[in-house]
Amino acid sequence: EADIYQTPRYLVIGTGKKITLECSQTMGHDKMYWYQQDPGMELHLIHYSYGVNSTEKGDLSSESTVSRIRTEHFPLTLESARPSHTSQYLCAALTDMNTEAFFGQGTRLTVV
Amino acid sequence: QKEVEQDPGPLSVPEGAIVSLNCTYSNSAFQYFMWYRQYSRKGPELLMYTYSSGNKEDGRFTAQVDKSSKYISLFIRDSQPSDSATYLCAMSASWTGNQFYFGTGTSLTVIP
Repeated sequence: EADIYQTPRYLVIGTGKKITLECSQTMGHDKMYWYQQDPGMELHLIHYSYGVNSTEKGDLSSESTVSRIRTEHFPLTLESARPSHTSQYLCAALTDMNTEAFFGQGTRLTVV
Repeated sequence: QKEVEQDPGPLSVPEGAIVSLNCTYSNSAFQYFMWYRQYSRKGPELLMYTYSSGNKEDGRFTAQVDKSSKYISLFIRDSQPSDSATYLCAMSASWTGNQFYFGTGTSLTVIP
């Protein structure tokens, strides 16, 4: 069973601030993903990675960046937070065969 | 057209009822089908996983896949208040696919 951790769980920040959402997993899975989840809406892919030094943009990537320097760590950075970024952010690690995605608890971000 | 369609509900049933949750999809290449359960303010957790068409049973839960109709279902027998959550269907195309495609989730409440 994969363990995947996200910090912080809850964050309230002001407009224009730079923030980094942390995600770490302990099972050594190469594939990691960031999703944005709003109530009643499907998960939207923000960024994904196939392994160290690999990052790809998803549907909602234009206002954020990610890095993958280590297999276990996949942080997401918002350079300048806006109220439209208010949402829940979910990090996931996928098995190599795409048979299962393990999710973190999520970070609920509020930008005021 | 969305890749995956799921009725968002909400669905409210009495304890002990049989619950049917459904998703339809448009991409005939999907081969791996999953159901995730998400409690409030938590990340999704894998409930059932099936490959290709057929049924899979696990305790009170049964997952069905009908690839000819592009339709998947999750049945919950003898529903319990602890089953109250949002249920998301997810699917992927192949071992090397770059992501899962999620439904919007169906909110279920089981009333004692």
